Amino acid sequence: EAGVTQFPSHSVIEKGQTVTLRCDPISGHDNLYWYRRVMGKEIKFLLHFVKESKQDESGMPNNRFLAERTGGTYSTLKVQPAELEDSGVYFCASGKQETQYFGPGTRLLVL
Amino acid sequence: LAKTTQPISMDSYEGQEVNITCSHNNIATNDYITWYQQFPSQGPRFIIQGYKTKVTNEVASLFIPADRKSSTLSLPRVSLSDTAVYYCLVGDISGNTPLVFGKGTRLSVIA
Repeated sequence: EAGVTQFPSHSVIEKGQTVTLRCDPISGHDNLYWYRRVMGKEIKFLLHFVKESKQDESGMPNNRFLAERTGGTYSTLKVQPAELEDSGVYFCASGKQETQYFGPGTRLLVL
Repeated sequence: LAKTTQPISMDSYEGQEVNITCSHNNIATNDYITWYQQFPSQGPRFIIQGYKTKVTNEVASLFIPADRKSSTLSLPRVSLSDTAVYYCLVGDISGNTPLVFGKGTRLSVIA
């Protein structure tokens, strides 16, 4: 069974540009989560989808971040416009009930 | 604020058994305990999960006392490749509560 995949693995952009991260969950997993780790800090929750609906978006830092999960399959996380403090590693996880399985992450560097 | 407390770091020699204890004094009735392993530049990898008593799989054992206020991850006969950060997390059975990561325990295995 394929695990959670994320694309791209790395992204380097300039401040003010737009970046879209993609997450493909494990097939059949209704729950999809986004987390991120900024430099030197712990991994922090961003939001949670159940199928195509946003269950909890309390961790989204501001309105420059937009997450979607059309059709309840893959999800995208768009940052527009990107700021320097958005640099970090963005993890996606999917799961059924109490278990979450993480992807490899997307390393974002905003210059 | 992390829901769990665990040692910041531990050292072990190859071939030894390593036990990492985690405190979760405010664990709720519907919470499960999950341990993840993370290598540099990778996403957290699921190791083991449990609700109470003892759980064992091919890589680890998890011991949970009756009051469930702590848990111990046991890694038998560690090798150099077990050097990683280990996270203890609690999460609701429904999957609707986000995982709250702390700093984890940095395990260093020495030859």
